[in-house]
Amino acid sequence: SQTIHQWPATLVQPVGSPLSLECTVEGTSNPNLYWYRQAAGRGLQLLFYSVGIGQISSEVPQNLSASRPQDRQFILSSKKLLLSDSGFYLCAWKPSGGNTDTQYFGPGTRLTVL
Amino acid sequence: AQSVTQLDSHVSVSEGTPVLLRCNYSSSYSPSLFWYVQHPNKGLQLLLKYTSAATLVKGINGFEAEFKKSETSFHLTKPSAHMSDAAEYFCVVSDLWGKLTFGQGTILTVHP
Repeated sequence: SQTIHQWPATLVQPVGSPLSLECTVEGTSNPNLYWYRQAAGRGLQLLFYSVGIGQISSEVPQNLSASRPQDRQFILSSKKLLLSDSGFYLCAWKPSGGNTDTQYFGPGTRLTVL
Repeated sequence: AQSVTQLDSHVSVSEGTPVLLRCNYSSSYSPSLFWYVQHPNKGLQLLLKYTSAATLVKGINGFEAEFKKSETSFHLTKPSAHMSDAAEYFCVVSDLWGKLTFGQGTILTVHP
C-alpha cells in the first residue's frame, strides 16, 4: 500500500532563517505531488505541484520554492522565512494518469515563524 | 474557473443528532467533488467522493453526501453525530486536470 511521510512534524524558526520541509511517498511510482499551506482560520492554498522529477509548477508567487530531486521526494524550501510563512504545510500525492483525481495527504508540518 | 463555498464556518450539534454541513460549488463542467475531514494538527482524510456516478455518495464513518446539479450543492450529512466526529470538514472540487479547490472549512463541534 502507499504511504506518505512528512518531516519534521513541527518546526519553530526565526524570521530570516532558511527552511527545508521534506515529503516522501512510498509504494507508488511517478506520482503527482503537491504542497499546500493552511494558514490559521483559512482553507488550503495550493503552493506547488509536480508531475515528474525536476518539473515544478508554482501557483502562488512568494518567497518559497519547491524541488523534486527524486521520483518520490518533494521538498519545500525558503532562503529567508517571513512571519507570514507560519502555517500548516501539507504534502499530497495522486496517481499520475488514469482516471483518478483523488489526492492523498500527509500528516503535515506545523511551522511557526517568530 | 471553479469555486467552493461552505455556507457555515461553525456547526454545533448534540451527540446522537443529525449533522448537516452545507457546500455549494461552481464549475464550468461536470466536476468531481470531495469531502475531506481534518482532526486537529492532522492531515486530511478523504470521507467520500463524487465522480458522476450515483448522486448519493456513501463515505466512511456513516457520512454521505448528495450531488444536486440543479442546486449546485454537495451537502454532507450523517444521521447521528458521534463525539469522534468533531473536526474540521472541507468541501473540495477538482477540475479536469486534477487541480483541487478547497472550501474555507466548517468546524463541527459535538456536545455530549
